[in-house]
Order: sequence, then structure tokens, then C-alpha cells
Amino acid sequence: DVKVTQSSRYLVKRTGEKVFLECVQDMDHENMFWYRQDPGLGLRLIYFSYDVKMKEKGDIPEGYSVSREKKERFSLILESASTNQTSMYLCASSPRGTGYEQYFGPGTRLTVT
Amino acid sequence: ELKVEQNPLFLSMQEGKNYTIYCNYSTTSDRLYWYRQDPGKSLESLFVLLSNGAVKQEGRLMASLDTKARLSTLHITAAVHDLSATYFCAVVYLQGAQKLVFGQGTRLTINP
Repeated sequence: DVKVTQSSRYLVKRTGEKVFLECVQDMDHENMFWYRQDPGLGLRLIYFSYDVKMKEKGDIPEGYSVSREKKERFSLILESASTNQTSMYLCASSPRGTGYEQYFGPGTRLTVT
Repeated sequence: ELKVEQNPLFLSMQEGKNYTIYCNYSTTSDRLYWYRQDPGKSLESLFVLLSNGAVKQEGRLMASLDTKARLSTLHITAAVHDLSATYFCAVVYLQGAQKLVFGQGTRLTINP
């Protein structure tokens, strides 16, 4: 079974703090993704990576950055957290290639106060 | 730009009834996924539809794809409470690399 894990299920941070969300997958997948999920908006792609040290902007990259130093790990960074970044963050991975099924982690519910 | 729209966004129904969730998308694609999400949980893959006319069934759920109409349906037969969840469709974006675009989700509540 593919396993995608995220470092925290729930996180509370203050405005202006730097926030790191970590994602690890154990299936040797090349592609990794970060989404945020908000009610009524579905999932929106923040960033994705198709190889180590490679990254591509998704639909809503503003206010976020990412890091992929190892194949199995993909980090999402909020440089200066703001209240409008309060959301559920989901990480996913998939094999190399276009449009393969993505496997999701359990999600991190981030609250910025 | 690919847009994916689901309807309805909220659906409350009685056990034993049939209903259909619709997923429309705006540009050509050749692959569509349906996912289920339980409250507080992550997304679980239900179906992948790979070609025009594809139909997949699992228990009381049946999904179909019409690529010409850019429409997929998820049909629920004789609903049971355990099917209460949020259902998402996701469409492969052919003009971008390895990207899925998700619909808004349909929150399904099945009442005893």
C-alpha cells in the first residue's frame, strides 16, 4: 500500500510565523503535490514537484514556497503565515507520467491566529 | 484553463433512493478520477475512467464518462448511510504536466 504521511494533523500558528509542513511518501513516486482545501472551493494546487530539487507553481502559489531535497520528502513553507492561510493542507504523490492516480496523505489542519 | 464543476454541491437524501452527481469540465481530457472523503479524513480513490464511454461499478456506486460531452456522472443506487461523504471528481489537465484539476466536491448526506 502506498503510504503518504504528513508531519502534523493539527497546527496552530501566529500571524507572521514561519511554518513548515512536511510530507513523506514511501512508494518511490517521482511526483509530489501540495493542495489546500477550503469549503466550496475543492482542492487547489499550490505547488508540485516531478523530481528532486524540481518544483512547479500550481494555481495558488502566492505566499508559499516548497523544498524537495530528497525524493520521498516534499515540504511546504509559509514564509510569514497570515490568517487567510488557515486551511486544510493535503499532500499527494503519484508515479511519473501525466495524470496518474494521486495518493493522498491525511491532511494538516492549519489555523493561523 | 481547465475548469471542473460539480453539481449539486450539497445533497441530502433518504436511504434506498437513487441519485446522480454530475461533473462537467471545460476542455478536452482523457482521464477522470472520482475520490471520496470522509469527515476529517483524506481522499480515497474510487474510480479512474480512461476513455469515452467508460463505466465502472463498485457496490452501489457507478461512474461513467462521456468525453464528447465533457461529462462524468456518479450514480448512487439504493443509498445507504455508509455512503455519506464528500465526493470529488478530478480531471487530468492535458496542457499541463501531471496535474489534476478538482471539482468543488459534493457533500452527500444519507438519512436513515
